Order: sequence, then structure tokens, then C-alpha cells
Amino acid sequence: QVQLVESGGGVVQPGGSLRLSCAASGFTFSDYGIHWVRQAPGKGLDWVSVIWYDGTSKFYADAVKGRFTISRDNSKNTVYLQMNNLRVEDTALYYCARGKTAPNSWGPGTLVTVSS
Amino acid sequence: QSTLTQPPSASGSPGQSVTISCTGTSSDVGGSKFVSWLQQHPGKAPKLMIYEVSERPSGVPDRFSGSKSGNTASLTVSGLQAEDEADYYCSSYAGSNNLLFGGGTKLTVL
Repeated sequence: QVQLVESGGGVVQPGGSLRLSCAASGFTFSDYGIHWVRQAPGKGLDWVSVIWYDGTSKFYADAVKGRFTISRDNSKNTVYLQMNNLRVEDTALYYCARGKTAPNSWGPGTLVTVSS
Repeated sequence: QSTLTQPPSASGSPGQSVTISCTGTSSDVGGSKFVSWLQQHPGKAPKLMIYEVSERPSGVPDRFSGSKSGNTASLTVSGLQAEDEADYYCSSYAGSNNLLFGGGTKLTVL
């Protein structure tokens, strides 16, 4: 069955970096765009970034542009989110989700905490 | 990026129907066929309930239906059941290749 599993979250100081991974299985990974969506504690969903099925196009929310970089390795069925210069307001549960126009499968999320 | 506007809460008794609205602009909800609705239970990942305004993924009960008029999309849950109590989010895939989300609506089954 379709499965997405995020990893790489943790506690980091402001200004620090983390790389999140989203490992996929159960479907033809190279056919699908993948989004990163985050949810701060007790808050709503907040779109972060998307990468198209072949990696040729990448888009970012204004709040993370210039600090986060999305990439994918279709040979490893994995999408990455490199997060640099992290801020306290980046603290959230980060989900990856399959599907460009309507994310139809979501992972359980990985928690990123930015705190001094 | 702006968010879509949803009421913070909605409620209904078991068996009743409830409708949740999602208001955007002509640049997103009004101009896109890619309007979706997600359900999220506490501590769980979101689940897609409606896509392309009114389509249901396999396995989603037909009690859930979606529609759109102008810049406002709506999710209707008919025959409310206890397990429908959750947070509901609308989303729109806009022309700028980003996903917009609504602020979420907490649905309470009385």
C-alpha cells in the first residue's frame, strides 16, 4: 500500500540546519509530485514546498524561500527538505504528501523544534 | 501567501447535515478546479476527503460531498456520525503552483 515516512526532525538552535527525508513506497514514485506541509503545535496546515515528479520544478512558500531547498532522488524513492537558518517560527510537525494538485497520501510527520 | 477563509467551528447532531464554507478569491478557489477538503483527527495526519471540488477518493463515504459557487467552496457532511468529529481543511492548488489552505474548521458532533 502507499506509504510515506518522514524522518530527520529534532531540536535545533535558531540559525541551525536540518535535513528532512520522506521515504516512499507502494507506488511508482517517479510519477508523483511531493509536497512538504507543516503544522505548528495547535495550529492549521501551512504549505512549505513542492517538487514535481521529475524534479524539474520546485516552488516554495515566501516564508521559507531562500532558506529551504527541496530535492528528490527517484532512484531512492526519497524527497528531501534541506532547512537552513532555522527560526523559532519554523517549529512544527512536517508532513510530506503525495500528489501535486490534491495531496492524497500523507506521512505521519516528523517534529522540528527550533529553540535556544 | 494568503490563506482561505473558513469558519473556526461548526456543529450538528447525529444524523443531521452540516456545511462548511471556504472562501478565497478568483485567483485561487474561484479560478481553480483543484479545490480539496482534508479531514484531520487529533494526533493524526490529514486525510483527503474531496478533490477537484466534488470528487471523492475511493473509500470515502458518500455522506461527504463538495461543491463550489464563485469564490466559495463548500463541504457538506450528511447523516453526521460521531467519527466525523474532526478538523476540516480546504485547500486550493493555485496558478502559482503553491497550495493554499484554509485556517481549518473544528466540527463537533453534539
